[in-house]
Amino acid sequence: AQTVTQSQPEMSVQEAETVTLSCTYDTSESDYYLFWYKQPPSRQMILVIRQEAYKQQNATENRFSVNFQKAAKSFSLKISDSQLGDAAMYFCAYYNTNAGKSTFGDGTTLTVKP
Amino acid sequence: ETGVTQTPRHLVMGMTNKKSLKCEQHLGHNAMYWYKQSAKKPLELMFVYNFKEQTENNSVPSRFSPECPNSSHLFLHLHTLQPEDSALYLCASSQELAGVLTDTQYFGPGTRLTVL
Repeated sequence: AQTVTQSQPEMSVQEAETVTLSCTYDTSESDYYLFWYKQPPSRQMILVIRQEAYKQQNATENRFSVNFQKAAKSFSLKISDSQLGDAAMYFCAYYNTNAGKSTFGDGTTLTVKP
Repeated sequence: ETGVTQTPRHLVMGMTNKKSLKCEQHLGHNAMYWYKQSAKKPLELMFVYNFKEQTENNSVPSRFSPECPNSSHLFLHLHTLQPEDSALYLCASSQELAGVLTDTQYFGPGTRLTVL
């Protein structure tokens, strides 16, 4: 069974600074996708960034980038120039292409200090 | 504006009540999902519908009854719930291509359910 582990229940960062959220996963599959979702207090789940496992190049979306280490099964999210609006719970998710199922981590609550 | 809407946003019900949660997606997707998000727990997948057919039921108690009349609408009928069923219920949708559910899911805002 696939598992997704986010070892940091809470993180905080100073506004304009950089923070990295960690995520590890366990799978025997070779074809899969990884995601980071953001869930602000409004509870709306928003896709932040997506990574295909077959791509070696790390995905980036503006201030958000990932460090994808396939062999280590690690998928961390880096938020640069943190903004107050980045405060939210962040979920790492794994998508099993064969099964068509997503598995989510427990989430990391990010606080941004002004 | 999200392409997935859910109503109601908040619901309080007694254990003997019957209520329904509604989800509608405007993205042209044909796969829809129900998730349960409890406090301090990861998201739990409840049901998956692909082209109106239920393809996944993750051992969900029968007091939760899904209904998918078409690819754009998904309901979750609730009856004789327990207080531990209080949670945020999230609906999501994704595209299906050549028999495979694509990876990216788009979520609705959720329904906050409280069972008294």
